[in-house]
Amino acid sequence: GAGVSQSPRYKVAKRGQDVALRCDPISGHVSLFWYQQALGQGPEFLTYFQNEAQLDKSGLPSDRFFAERPEGSVSTLKIQRTQQEDSAVYLCASFFRGGSGANVLTFGAGSRLTVL
Amino acid sequence: AQSVTQLGSHVSVSEGALVLLRCNYSSSVPPYLFWYVQYPNQGLQLLLKYTSAATLVKGINGFEAEFKKSETSFHLTKPSAHMSDAAEYFCAVSDVGSGNTGKLIFGQGTTLQVKP
Repeated sequence: GAGVSQSPRYKVAKRGQDVALRCDPISGHVSLFWYQQALGQGPEFLTYFQNEAQLDKSGLPSDRFFAERPEGSVSTLKIQRTQQEDSAVYLCASFFRGGSGANVLTFGAGSRLTVL
Repeated sequence: AQSVTQLGSHVSVSEGALVLLRCNYSSSVPPYLFWYVQYPNQGLQLLLKYTSAATLVKGINGFEAEFKKSETSFHLTKPSAHMSDAAEYFCAVSDVGSGNTGKLIFGQGTTLQVKP
């Protein structure tokens, strides 16, 4: 597609529920990133994929967070047993090449998760 | 560890006045530096980037930034503010240590208000 598409745009979950957030990157983009943006803060790195390989998951805050990209295109971020501190906007971004060089990320509009 | 500090969480200027948004970074090696803008309920859009070429970088919408190694700064400026510039602005540095230039470290953000 023309841009990075994320769904749902808004999600309200009760504490303890599982949620899944989808990212459809720009067609052909090799690299895909997930960031978490808490209210009033800058985005923070969660995880990175090159094609289907998850090369860096150092930013995932707990083992309740899981991401996958099985066919090297669409990615899903799953949060199990959601907690209130998980409330944030989850941003997906992609770029064409691998991780080196002066690549520029293209961001999606984000998925806003509110945990009650 | 690399970090980014944006001085001033809120900046207010009059339409037509100079815009100056401050960003200081810490990095043990020459970094890549970025400024992104975020409009309400939208993803981040790249304004400009520094990748070790010219120290004065021109971006979109009349914005520019100057890389000053001696001051570890990358301040964003625009000579004349427009009402449409009102948004959240984020400075970011690439995590060069990871070799992955899509893994960015963001500042806390600065909200720019433009008064008529």
